Amino acid sequence: IQMTQSPSSLSASVGDRVTITCRASQSISSYVNWYQQKPGKAPKFLIYAASSLQSGVPSRFSGSGSGTDFTLTISSLQPEDFATYYCQQSYSTPPITFGQGTRLEIK
Amino acid sequence: QVQLVESGGGAVQPGGSLRLSCAASGVIFSTYGMHWVRQAPGKGLEWVAFIQYDGSNKYYADSVKGRFTISRDNSKNTVFLQMNSLRVEDTAVYYCAKAAKGPRLEPGDWFDPWGQGTLVTVSS
Repeated sequence: IQMTQSPSSLSASVGDRVTITCRASQSISSYVNWYQQKPGKAPKFLIYAASSLQSGVPSRFSGSGSGTDFTLTISSLQPEDFATYYCQQSYSTPPITFGQGTRLEIK
Repeated sequence: QVQLVESGGGAVQPGGSLRLSCAASGVIFSTYGMHWVRQAPGKGLEWVAFIQYDGSNKYYADSVKGRFTISRDNSKNTVFLQMNSLRVEDTAVYYCAKAAKGPRLEPGDWFDPWGQGTLVTVSS
């Protein structure tokens, strides 16, 4: 199953609302998870099952979707949110697959 | 608090071998499946392999099947990745990660937490 994220990169300002999209090549129910990765660091887990926030993740992060189309939304960007975001599916495993990543940059 | 610490990375020539280790603490290691995920320089994340809690089931990405072997020693809370016949395209940071849902590879599972990663460079 291929996961395609869009956009590949995005420029935004602090306080903006941003949405990242992930599309699966076939229906995967709600089996999508999201990660944040900062340069030189390991990925950090954010959201599971498309919309459930991991404990400790700020509520400005949210996820939605089912089937083939999923979104990660950050309601009001904070300086620490500038990073690369990845979606991941594990509906049909193996293999587990990731989207190619969306780089969120400061405008 | 779960901690994963990888080691064993380094530089190796094409065709060579390397063994990575990942030591876990703060978790009942023997009750969780474990993954290896890699990231080539400047590229995205690629799942590499998974091992079930007791080592009885193992799964691999097609790109490494037949060359890499995942194993674990539950008495030492450690998972390993033996990498043989290494290729230039295997150059990457290799992360170990715990399967969040539990002992087996399950639909919907995710990686949490991740280790800090260890760099493998394959070059002549």
